[in-house]
Amino acid sequence: GAGVSQTPSNKVTEKGKYVELRCDPISGHTALYWYRQSLGQGPEFLIYFQGTGAADDSGLPNDRFFAVRPEGSVSTLKIQRTERGDSAVYLCASSAGTSGSREETQYFGPGTRLLVL
Amino acid sequence: EDQVTQSPEALRLQEGESSSLNCSYTVSGLRGLFWYRQDPGKGPEFLFTLYSAGEEKEKERLKATLTKKESFLHITAPKPEDSATYLCAVQAYGQNFVFGPGTRLSVLP
Repeated sequence: GAGVSQTPSNKVTEKGKYVELRCDPISGHTALYWYRQSLGQGPEFLIYFQGTGAADDSGLPNDRFFAVRPEGSVSTLKIQRTERGDSAVYLCASSAGTSGSREETQYFGPGTRLLVL
Repeated sequence: EDQVTQSPEALRLQEGESSSLNCSYTVSGLRGLFWYRQDPGKGPEFLFTLYSAGEEKEKERLKATLTKKESFLHITAPKPEDSATYLCAVQAYGQNFVFGPGTRLSVLP
């Protein structure tokens, strides 16, 4: 089946604006993850969903960042009052989560490149 | 705190020139070590998972090995299409993935 998809592929916004980034996981995958990747760095964990609930949001940098997954499939990462430092590639990954845990191989989407001017 | 370092930061090889990439880690209770390939402008693509010291896995020109402190990704007779950034990640039981910064590999024809 199809892999993880993310929209938009690129987003340019102005400082202070609100943005939403969308992730469609692999069909049937119950676990979903958001990461942020800065240039020249590896992905950095933000938040993990098991089903509809956020099982671990310890990586969210501050309260301007929020994510939802209301029906246990598509997820939206929301960033309020964007800052220039939020510019990065936001990656989404999903895993089967068959054991109800996060201990599964993660498959990544292509990412959304966010640029805050 | 779980940590992952990768070396070298960048590597340039001639086509056919074999080499190895290193991933050194510290983690409490390793559940798995993961290798991903990332092409420019793309998301990471899964390559291997290694679970215990001594384990090896192969895929085409790539072979990954694991010890208690590090993993190597051996590239045999590389081709230009092997050029990419190779990322290593570790996961402790019940914890999140921790990624290294990656090694940027360039294979020149």
